[in-house]
Amino acid sequence: GAVVSQHPSRVICKSGTSVKIECRSLDFQATTMFWYRQFPKQSLMLMATSNEGSKATYEQGVEKDKFLINHASLTLSTLTVTSAHPEDSSFYICSASTTLDTQYFGPGTRLTVL
Amino acid sequence: GESVGLHLPTLSVQEGDNSIINCAYSNSASDYFIWYKQESGKGPQFIIDIRSNMDKRQGQRVTVLLNKTVKHLSLQIAATQPGDSAVYFCAENTADSGYSTLTFGKGTMLLVSP
Repeated sequence: GAVVSQHPSRVICKSGTSVKIECRSLDFQATTMFWYRQFPKQSLMLMATSNEGSKATYEQGVEKDKFLINHASLTLSTLTVTSAHPEDSSFYICSASTTLDTQYFGPGTRLTVL
Repeated sequence: GESVGLHLPTLSVQEGDNSIINCAYSNSASDYFIWYKQESGKGPQFIIDIRSNMDKRQGQRVTVLLNKTVKHLSLQIAATQPGDSAVYFCAENTADSGYSTLTFGKGTMLLVSP
């Protein structure tokens, strides 16, 4: 149980285009979903926290207009990287939570912007 | 992107040895701590957790020790195997505004030689 999927697993796009990444909780309903970014050989950095049906809370330094988060249902959250540039190339990981302290992580999405 | 000169601390051990990975956390209000294993290109995988009212917890081949006085956490892996090779992260959880926030440590790469 408690499986989280992400789609796509890898995406390559041209600079200036937008990319949407999906995060789904497959066998449970997630009240809260989290989005992290991880650069090579670095730790996971929280980007934003979203609750179903409400606006996401972004961490300091994360541009909300560039990283659009939609949490339309209890099993799906999407992250859209708008007008992507090479510096946005990273590993994006989501997690889903039902309780105060347990997060279940997805397998990650590797974004490469050319 | 990756900062020049940034690299993960690395622990190299022989198969069968015991491994100890250390972590310092920052928030004395954190009440829940988790160790994650991350293999290359994958999301974090839960290993073991411990709450702040405990100082030791054992799992299968793994033990977590918590020293709240010095804000230190360690992960001990007994009889380390090549399949244990990965990056290990500690994470501290702080419950705020009804949901949890995880702050990840920098990570340690464990290399196990056969």
